[in-house]
Amino acid sequence: EADIYQTPRYLVIGTGKKITLECSQTMGHDKMYWYQQDPGMELHLIHYSYGVNSTEKGDLSSESTVSRIRTEHFPLTLESARPSHTSQYLCASSSPGANQPQHFGDGTRLSIL
Amino acid sequence: QQQVKQSPQSLIVQKGGISIINCAYENTAFDYFPWYQQFPGKGPALLIAIRPDVSEKKEGRFTISFNKSAKQFSLHIMDSQPGDSATYFCAFRTGANNLFFGTGTRLTVIP
Repeated sequence: EADIYQTPRYLVIGTGKKITLECSQTMGHDKMYWYQQDPGMELHLIHYSYGVNSTEKGDLSSESTVSRIRTEHFPLTLESARPSHTSQYLCASSSPGANQPQHFGDGTRLSIL
Repeated sequence: QQQVKQSPQSLIVQKGGISIINCAYENTAFDYFPWYQQFPGKGPALLIAIRPDVSEKKEGRFTISFNKSAKQFSLHIMDSQPGDSATYFCAFRTGANNLFFGTGTRLTVIP
């Protein structure tokens, strides 16, 4: 059973606020990911990391930023939230190597007023 | 850039029936094809996966059929149960070992 945790689960906040979405995993996985998913729609990769001090942009352009200071922690930050950032954000992790499954957290549903 | 086409968008099946979801892809560099299952309020979870050198893989009631020449693959759920009601995503692995996801199919199994 995968152990990957995201907080908060839900966040409603006003425009212009700085937001940090937390993601932690206890499996020692090197690779971690952030996806954006609108309700009932496909997942789009916005950031990923191969390990500590590694961050890469994904296929979907995002105004968010990420950091990877510790293996288990991969937070996502929005410096100034806008209504267009309203979405669900999913974090995942996987072991290195080909065909390793990605284990997902339950997501943060973000609403910007 | 739409590299993955998944159909149908939604599917209603009677309990005990067969659910079939299809995916088509364009990029022949894809080399790993997983299916993920997502329940409301939860993150996706890996259901079953296949490599292109295999034409079919079965795990319990779930079967993947792969047609490499047509660049299509499908998920078959035999003896569908109400507990199978969820959204199903096909996915494809890129060279960076990242996944492209399909648009999802919302399956409802009615008793």
